[in-house]
Amino acid sequence: GAGVSQSPSNKVTEKGKDVELRCDPISGHTALYWYRQSLGQGLEFLIYFQGNSAPDKSGLPSDRFSAERTGGSVSTLTIQRTQQEDSAVYLCASSLSPGLGYEQYFGPGTRLTVT
Amino acid sequence: QQPVQSPQAVILREGEDAVINCSSSKALYSVHWYRQKHGEAPVFLMILLKGGEQKGHEKISASFNEKKQQSSLYLTASQLSYSGTYFCGTVSQDSNYQLIWGAGTKLIIKP
Repeated sequence: GAGVSQSPSNKVTEKGKDVELRCDPISGHTALYWYRQSLGQGLEFLIYFQGNSAPDKSGLPSDRFSAERTGGSVSTLTIQRTQQEDSAVYLCASSLSPGLGYEQYFGPGTRLTVT
Repeated sequence: QQPVQSPQAVILREGEDAVINCSSSKALYSVHWYRQKHGEAPVFLMILLKGGEQKGHEKISASFNEKKQQSSLYLTASQLSYSGTYFCGTVSQDSNYQLIWGAGTKLIIKP
């Protein structure tokens, strides 16, 4: 079956512009996660969804970052007024449930470059 | 609080063994292991749950010491395909189902 997909795969934007990153999780997966990974670094948690609600938004770096999920499926991460420090790979993952014993399946990521 | 992984990096010859460790100061419910190859997304390897249950790939083995809040990943008879960065992620009582990721261990396998 289809895995997690993300679009675009690459995005170059000018400082100050807004960007939208999209994630299509595996069908039937109720939990969806957004992470950020800078070059050579680990995974930085941003936000997770259980269904359409986001119980934990604590990882969002600033109020320029927002995310939503509709229909228990597609999620969009929006970054407003992008800054150069926002440059990173943004990874989305989904799992069957947010429970402790469920593995996360990752998408290929969106590489964001802010010039 | 981020779990601590050790070593930060290791270089092996093909066929050698390696152990990667992950420790936390929190009381853990589960430990997750993933491998990320350069330019690719992380891929699930194993989950170890409090109480002894494990889920993962047959060729990968790991342990979870609940008393010490430590987990170890054992890579035996390493193959070139094992190269990559290994991340552990931990779930604790106060993490709200959020995986807290370690900084990663870079594994290089040479022929």
